[in-house]
Amino acid sequence: DTEVTQTPKHLVMGMTNKKSLKCEQHMGHRAMYWYKQKAKKPPELMFVYSYEKLSINESVPSRFSPECPNSSLLNLHLHALQPEDSALYLCASSQPFPGLAGVGNEQFFGPGTRLTVL
Amino acid sequence: GQNIDQPTEMTATEGAIVQINCTYQTSGFNGLFWYQQHAGEAPTFLSYNVLDGLEEKGRFSSFLSRSKGYSYLLLKELQMKDSASYLCALHNAGNMLTFGGGTRLMVKP
Repeated sequence: DTEVTQTPKHLVMGMTNKKSLKCEQHMGHRAMYWYKQKAKKPPELMFVYSYEKLSINESVPSRFSPECPNSSLLNLHLHALQPEDSALYLCASSQPFPGLAGVGNEQFFGPGTRLTVL
Repeated sequence: GQNIDQPTEMTATEGAIVQINCTYQTSGFNGLFWYQQHAGEAPTFLSYNVLDGLEEKGRFSSFLSRSKGYSYLLLKELQMKDSASYLCALHNAGNMLTFGGGTRLMVKP
């Protein structure tokens, strides 16, 4: 299984709502990531979890709250979002440390959740 | 910080060869990735260069020159399905990726 799954595919929420994005992988990867991607822009890293611990937070506002309940699951809890937070949210996974050159370093991306904040 | 530049858009003809360049300025990095992303879909891994030189994978090859701060992705025998965005990304400590702006490639018949 070389797939990263994300639910839901699409999400529309109001600025006062609380919602969660979910990501799952069964490749045995111990690093998981959240990215935000605006239209015609590259993905921007938000959070990195390594061995279920938050290792990197790229100065993301507190209205985004990540959670890694176990090695296969990654959640992103959303609260009091703004319309400018509308974007494609991508989850990815990989081995946590660089392996041999060119081996096992790549990040596998899920299909994303298209989020619209009204 | 890191600065990565790619052409915004390129157009090529089916069956031809196209080279997508990526230049960067950085004080250090582990390696350089190339990803393909079709509109509305997830990025998919194409190649990873750690050492200088050419890595070949079927119709796709990627080149890295650390001394020149330069990489390129070479696509041969272009097919219509190769129309997509191509992202180069620097691989940094902590397994962090810094992406370039991406190059949108349009393949025409």
